[in-house]
Amino acid sequence: GESVGLHLPTLSVQEGDNSIINCAYSNSASDYFIWYKQESGKGPQFIIDIRSNMDKRQGQRVTVLLNKTVKHLSLQIAATQPGDSAVYFCAENWGYGQNFVFGPGTRLSVLP
Amino acid sequence: KAGVTQTPRYLIKTRGQQVTLSCSPISGHRSVSWYQQTPGQGLQFLFEYFSETQRNKGNFPGRFSGRQFSNSRSEMNVSTLELGDSALYLCASIPDSTGELFFGEGSRLTVL
Repeated sequence: GESVGLHLPTLSVQEGDNSIINCAYSNSASDYFIWYKQESGKGPQFIIDIRSNMDKRQGQRVTVLLNKTVKHLSLQIAATQPGDSAVYFCAENWGYGQNFVFGPGTRLSVLP
Repeated sequence: KAGVTQTPRYLIKTRGQQVTLSCSPISGHRSVSWYQQTPGQGLQFLFEYFSETQRNKGNFPGRFSGRQFSNSRSEMNVSTLELGDSALYLCASIPDSTGELFFGEGSRLTVL
């Protein structure tokens, strides 16, 4: 959408396939992570979160994996649908308060 | 339950002017955060308010300020506008219990 990066990395997948979106986070002290989806003209929408004491969490059609050793997060979307087309952001948080640091985002494009 | 409401949705200003943006959080949420979203810099944290007190502040110049009222509604102000202040300004409402950010649709500011 017009509110997000013009040159974002793009992942194109066929409808029905699984999608994997990756994110490298910045701070080894981060203890809370969230994946957000942003559609054109809208604010980011919460998808799933995970705390640093876990390495995997599942939601409806989505799974988040956390690898603290290499500071890496991934979001897996099963049976990707056209409505999943959007920009996806990971966000990390540490310490006191709610000042999240967001990744640059990945644009997911679902092909018919 | 009503979501996060931001006003105005769109506005156009000229360099040197000032602007005030408003955010009404989800009922019962005491914490509000503000983010700036641009194509070049992505989502960047501006500040966070909790029970009328600024709890965290991002790395933005003093021209950017905010406040929170006793009913948890928040405003942010940008003075002496610059062209680079053109962005989507997002407000997020945060429940005490989880720390998840619930975003509004944003206020799109264009500085000419």
